[in-house]
Amino acid sequence: GAVVSQHPSWVICKSGTSVKIECRSLDFQATTMFWYRQFPKQSLMLMATSNEGSKATYEQGVEKDKFLINHASLTLSTLTVTSAHPEDSSFYICSAGPGYNSPLHFGNGTRLTVT
Amino acid sequence: AQKITQTQPGMFVQEKEAVTLDCTYDTSDPSYGLFWYKQPSSGEMIFLIYQGSYDQQNATEGRYSLNFQKARKSANLVISASQLGDSAMYFCAMREGRQTSYDKVIFGPGTSLSVIP
Repeated sequence: GAVVSQHPSWVICKSGTSVKIECRSLDFQATTMFWYRQFPKQSLMLMATSNEGSKATYEQGVEKDKFLINHASLTLSTLTVTSAHPEDSSFYICSAGPGYNSPLHFGNGTRLTVT
Repeated sequence: AQKITQTQPGMFVQEKEAVTLDCTYDTSDPSYGLFWYKQPSSGEMIFLIYQGSYDQQNATEGRYSLNFQKARKSANLVISASQLGDSAMYFCAMREGRQTSYDKVIFGPGTSLSVIP
């Protein structure tokens, strides 16, 4: 089945630093990938749609300058949390689907803690 | 406006019993897909079952079945013969449009299921 790999699984960083999270589709090409954020005991909130070779589409209320998305190839999308602050601490999870009528497959998520 | 509603924040079920998790949705698009995902405490998202808006029959996958009532806009998940490993968060999700890989998927608030031995 389709596999999506996400790294790192967890990261702790200091306030003011930037953190990059990678999302890879291992056995299919993904022209589109999705980035979600999840707070404890809450649902997944779509942050942005990552499009290969073009700018990402951000959901309302998501700061594009804070959450930089790059989709440089058909198998890799990266999310960079810039100038991280404690309120950015959350679970970030990426997803992609191999094609028409297929479900989204998810990475295992990245737990970010900003101290 | 909330497009997906899951009215049961928490549910309990006895092991080996069946349980129904409710999901209602709102869309004006005639073409859409409905998904159920399971999220154990480890955080991974596990795809369970899919129902397309034009599918004539209710979807089934092993112990999972989807009670799809299109006119009522509901897509309830039925888990038969519950197991302890079924304890997790369950999310109902929807994708509007032609179900391409470009169409985004939005999630409901989730239901926490606890299976009691």
